[in-house]
Amino acid sequence: GAVVSQHPSRVICKSGTSVKIECRSLDFQATTMFWYRQFPKQSLMLMATSNEGSKATYEQGVEKDKFLINHASLTLSTLTVTSAHPEDSSFYICSAGPTRQGNTQYFGPGTRLTVL
Amino acid sequence: AQKVTQAQTEISVVEKEDVTLDCVYETRDTTYYLFWYKQPPSGELVFLIRRNSFDEQNEISGRYSWNFQKSTSSFNFTITASQVVDSAVYFCALSEVQRGAQKLVFGQGTRLTINP
Repeated sequence: GAVVSQHPSRVICKSGTSVKIECRSLDFQATTMFWYRQFPKQSLMLMATSNEGSKATYEQGVEKDKFLINHASLTLSTLTVTSAHPEDSSFYICSAGPTRQGNTQYFGPGTRLTVL
Repeated sequence: AQKVTQAQTEISVVEKEDVTLDCVYETRDTTYYLFWYKQPPSGELVFLIRRNSFDEQNEISGRYSWNFQKSTSSFNFTITASQVVDSAVYFCALSEVQRGAQKLVFGQGTRLTINP
């Protein structure tokens, strides 16, 4: 397999603040990483595709100015939730996959965001 | 558009019973990949299997087996002699290749509870 890490695992913040979540591929390089959001008892919804060295591609309905994505290196992508509100509270998960394994995606452990 | 349907929202069985989780997919692509992931209470998605559209061979891995049938667009997952540790939410997913990146479309998930 391949290992993907996320940090932090859990964050609680006040409404109006910004929160940064990191996603790292630990034993492979990833030119592409994916960010998902999962609400309680629901499936994963793709938010955006993070591309190393270029702009992220956002899914329809996802505000790019609110969810800032930066993929500055081949092993790190960050998701910043700007001016967070209680409705942004969710479980955020990233995924990436090594080229040698085709398009198999491995997922990070997730970040549970609670906005008060 | 691509779509994955997991009609069983929740399944509850007694330990040692066999259980099958259904997955039906829709796609217009001739080349695609199907996946199963396990999400235990901790939240992290665990990769179980990948199958490409040209390989209809069934696969067995220990107590797990998968039945891929293109004729019915199904990719079902069977756990034999279930154990309490198998309790989790299981997601079936379809790989969609767009703009060079492989995006995953997830089913709604099946919550499996194995009772002792």
